[in-house]
Amino acid sequence: NAGVTQTPKFQVLKTGQSMTLQCAQDMNHNSMYWYRQDPGMGLRLIYYSASEGTTDKGEVPNGYNVSRLNKREFSLRLESAAPSQTSVYFCASSEGGMSYNEQFFGPGTRLTVL
Amino acid sequence: DQQVKQNSPSLSVQEGRISILNCDYTNSMFDYFLWYKKYPAEGPTFLISISSIKDKNEDGRFTVFLNKSAKHLSLHIVPSQPGDSAVYFCAAGNSGGYQKVTFGTGTKLQVIP
Repeated sequence: NAGVTQTPKFQVLKTGQSMTLQCAQDMNHNSMYWYRQDPGMGLRLIYYSASEGTTDKGEVPNGYNVSRLNKREFSLRLESAAPSQTSVYFCASSEGGMSYNEQFFGPGTRLTVL
Repeated sequence: DQQVKQNSPSLSVQEGRISILNCDYTNSMFDYFLWYKKYPAEGPTFLISISSIKDKNEDGRFTVFLNKSAKHLSLHIVPSQPGDSAVYFCAAGNSGGYQKVTFGTGTKLQVIP
């Protein structure tokens, strides 16, 4: 099992460009999440999907959109990238959406916006 | 408003000694707590958790202690090993319904051989 996979691993964008970060899990998990990690800020939730067909905003959703394409895949889109979106992005999944459900993380995407 | 705080950004410990990582929370609705470990260039991995009905949970070299009255938890690693060098994130949530967990800012542990 690959677990949670993310593509790409690295990306450099210019301000105003758009891109989609891809995430897939092969654990048949119901819930999926997108986080960003910034120095001194920890992991902050951008969007989550409790189950296939549903998505909800997290702590820092502005500037992002998400799509839960099917049970396996959850993508994050930046419509018009800004330097403030320079960060490391992690996708995660869990069997259920409860706080006691262990989350499994992908390896991350390091994004730089110039 | 940081609801989960890890006030020590870094910690250095000699191999074989005890590592104590601390976490404070402000939201009294939190009743489930988790620790994740993160190596460079990898995603975080789950380490250990504790429910508020307990004050201690142990898994091998790792023990988490919860002090509900102080809204404080700590992770003890005994004995510390060089492979434990990583960033440790504390996370908290409410188990009473669907709730997201809130992560702390992390503590970077360095275990010196």
